[in-house]
Amino acid sequence: QVQLVESGGGVVQPGRSLRLSCAASGFTFSHYAIHWVRQAPGQGLEWVAGVSYDGSNKDHADSVEGRFSISRDNSRNTLYLQMSSLRAEDTAMYYCVRENEGGFGEYYFDYWGQGTLVTVSS
Amino acid sequence: DIVMTQSPDSLAVSLGERATINCKSSQSVLHRSNKMNYLAWYQQKPGQPPNLLVYWASARESGVPNRFSGSGSGTDFTLTISSLQAEDVAVYYCHQYYSLPYSFGQGTRLEIK
Repeated sequence: QVQLVESGGGVVQPGRSLRLSCAASGFTFSHYAIHWVRQAPGQGLEWVAGVSYDGSNKDHADSVEGRFSISRDNSRNTLYLQMSSLRAEDTAMYYCVRENEGGFGEYYFDYWGQGTLVTVSS
Repeated sequence: DIVMTQSPDSLAVSLGERATINCKSSQSVLHRSNKMNYLAWYQQKPGQPPNLLVYWASARESGVPNRFSGSGSGTDFTLTISSLQAEDVAVYYCHQYYSLPYSFGQGTRLEIK
């Protein structure tokens, strides 16, 4: 069965960096675009970044552009989110999400991980 | 960027009654080439990630009970639960995947009256 397992979250001070990982299994990882979606405590969903199946296309939300970078390693079936210059408003649950059908930026999200919590606080 | 707006923000419905949630996009999500509406609905229960209910505005995901249905086109969409069950208490989100950056509605909290 499809599984997306996030890790790397924790408590970090403002201005510091953190790298999130998402380990995928149960499907051919290299065939699908994967995204990060976050949810601040008690708030709604916010798309953060996405990467195409082969890593050649990437996009980031304006709110994280220049601070966060999405990447993937298809040989390890793993997605990453490198986060730097973290701010209090980056505090959220970060979900790894699969885009259906192998497209990039043209399909819905069919599988979500359980998420990893990032808390930015001094 | 496409802004998604849901109404109402919260909703209380009696068991067995109909629940209706609306979603409006700031621009059309109907693709002219294939006539498909790039609109999905998700259900999120407390402590869980969102779960896909409906895609292409009206296609029900496998395993989703048929009391859930999606409708609409262009900029106006509706998620309907025909007969509310206790397990339907959740927050519901619409999502446009017509263009990046992807965007979601603010969510509608559904409770039992």
